[in-house]
Amino acid sequence: EVQLVESGGGLVQPGGSLRLSCAASGFIFSDHYMDWVRQAPGKGLEWVGRTRNKAKSYSTDYAASVKGRFTISRDDSKNSVYLQMNSLRTEDTAVYYCVRVQVGSSGVFFDYWGQGTLVTVSS
Amino acid sequence: QSVLTQPPSASETPGQRVTISCSGSSSNIGSNYVHWHQQLPGTAPKLLIYRNNQRPSGVPDRFSGSKSGTSASLAISGLRSEDEADYYCAAWDDSLSGVIFGGGTKLTVL
Repeated sequence: EVQLVESGGGLVQPGGSLRLSCAASGFIFSDHYMDWVRQAPGKGLEWVGRTRNKAKSYSTDYAASVKGRFTISRDDSKNSVYLQMNSLRTEDTAVYYCVRVQVGSSGVFFDYWGQGTLVTVSS
Repeated sequence: QSVLTQPPSASETPGQRVTISCSGSSSNIGSNYVHWHQQLPGTAPKLLIYRNNQRPSGVPDRFSGSKSGTSASLAISGLRSEDEADYYCAAWDDSLSGVIFGGGTKLTVL
């Protein structure tokens, strides 16, 4: 069974930093791209960014709203993906979801979501 | 404002059919697959439709997707109360080099 478990959320002041973790199990983690998606309270889904697999040189992409402030990394030996968030703003307040990406002839899409972890940026 | 446009709400009675639209452009829906996710109240989203019209294992055939040009739609037939949820379309955008979502459609089963 595929499982994605996020951790590390909490309350942080504007300008602060936070590191989210996502522990994966139930599949060959190293084969997959992994994304982060967030959802502000009462709002829709917003893509945050992506880390690709070793075959794609662990390349990353980010949404314009977080580029230069957020960094996605992964440790295939620990089946984990991370989201380092710096220079946090109040508008970064959201539930952050770790998402598995399926890549193949059927395109590139999210096939499994974690349960999410809440990040609150407030003074 | 989302790059993909969905109606904010939809409603229909049990047993009926409802369609949710998702409008984009040539850089996203026009050149890439569309996927749909369902978010039940208080839960994480779940994949509902991928590659425009494919259902993952376990998704009932009451749910179907289609795409034409720069628009896509999700149809739900034989509506049930448990279908009350938020529905999001998603696609890769070549110009933005990122995934984009629709703003979401809140479905109410009357």
